Amino acid sequence: ETGVTQSPTHLIKTRGQQVTLRCSSQSGHNTVSWYQQALGQGPQFIFQYYREEENGRGNFPPRFSGLQFPNYSSELNVNALELDDSALYLCASSPQGVPGYTFGSGTRLTVV
Amino acid sequence: GEDVEQSLFLSVREGDSSVINCTYTDSSSTYLYWYKQEPGAGLQLLTYIFSNMDMKQDQRLTVLLNKKDKHLSLRIADTQTGDSAIYFCAESIDDSNYQLIWGAGTKLIIKP
Repeated sequence: ETGVTQSPTHLIKTRGQQVTLRCSSQSGHNTVSWYQQALGQGPQFIFQYYREEENGRGNFPPRFSGLQFPNYSSELNVNALELDDSALYLCASSPQGVPGYTFGSGTRLTVV
Repeated sequence: GEDVEQSLFLSVREGDSSVINCTYTDSSSTYLYWYKQEPGAGLQLLTYIFSNMDMKQDQRLTVLLNKKDKHLSLRIADTQTGDSAIYFCAESIDDSNYQLIWGAGTKLIIKP
């Protein structure tokens, strides 16, 4: 098992720019979720993908979008970056219907 | 709306037991989880409990669930320095288990 890997590990962007974060899910895991974790807080659910379709979304605006590919890897795209988007973005995968997620180490995004 | 609350800090002596507490509001939760986050790392699933169980034990970890009071606790026996981390409580709020609602985390500090 290789676990969940995310890239890049750190990123600095300017307000108004766009960013793409990438995630390779653990082997055999067909469900991928993305979470945003601000400093000192718990993660907030952004959305989940299963079989390349979004099948759940948290309270995030449409400028947060995603993709899942046939190999179950995933991307998170954020347009028109705002300063409040600065956070740790976590990708998590699981087999469908199995409790608990395996998390990656995250991408630390700083918007200046 | 749904909410999960935890104390921000817990300090214990090495070798003692640590008890981390959590309260949640959604009575329809199906699973409740404990995750561990070490500095600079992602979230590691420690254990979970199904909502129709009262207790679950896994080596040094004991989870107690009081569904009437919506109270969840994690007991770590014989606490070691390697247990220093932030511990998050999370609940799943639907049958798909995809959206987790998280507490803000409890930082466990180990005193020698």
